[in-house]
Amino acid sequence: GENVEQHPSTLSVQEGDSAVIKCTYSDSASNYFPWYKQELGKGPQLIIDIRSNVGEKKDQRIAVTLNKTAKHFSLHITETQPEDSAVYFCAYDSGGYQKVTFGIGTKLQVIP
Amino acid sequence: SQTIHQWPATLVQPVGSPLSLECTVEGTSNPNLYWYRQAAGRGLQLLFYSVGIGQISSEVPQNLSASRPQDRQFILSSKKLLLSDSGFYLCAWLSSDNNEQFFGPGTRLTVL
Repeated sequence: GENVEQHPSTLSVQEGDSAVIKCTYSDSASNYFPWYKQELGKGPQLIIDIRSNVGEKKDQRIAVTLNKTAKHFSLHITETQPEDSAVYFCAYDSGGYQKVTFGIGTKLQVIP
Repeated sequence: SQTIHQWPATLVQPVGSPLSLECTVEGTSNPNLYWYRQAAGRGLQLLFYSVGIGQISSEVPQNLSASRPQDRQFILSSKKLLLSDSGFYLCAWLSSDNNEQFFGPGTRLTVL
């Protein structure tokens, strides 16, 4: 069945340092891998995504890498800022009826 | 542009009482719609999804039900709430253009 493991569950970094969150999935047919950011009391919002035809994608301080052979993908945030503090979810399309399976989330705390 | 609404924003209900949460989408037609539950400190659990009016698929057994009476309306219901139904309920729709899921603002449900 569909499954995605996400770690770490919590992450604290000093402002200006980098943060890396990793996910491993099981469905080799997956082609779409989004990352969502959820601020306290709000719904998640897409921050970056990657499709299986590329290995890396970057958007300013945020980058995502994908290794389809190993079935894992990672979120990299550089030069972290306090406003990056939130819960981050990885996800992948689990096919069939356009379902997206989410990881358990990583609570990132950026310490000023 | 597309928007998604949920109400109420917060709800406190006694055990055994009924529940009705509403989600409406604007700016798109025939969207795939989803209900998720997020328990405190946990990830997103898919409860129901719908690919069209009257079409509901349940992901997990529970005492909740969903209905889609109109194309852009998705309702989550219960006849008798349990303590374990407490959580943050999120409605979402899926863009068929790029598989991005757009989440509503959520409903915080507390069952006492």
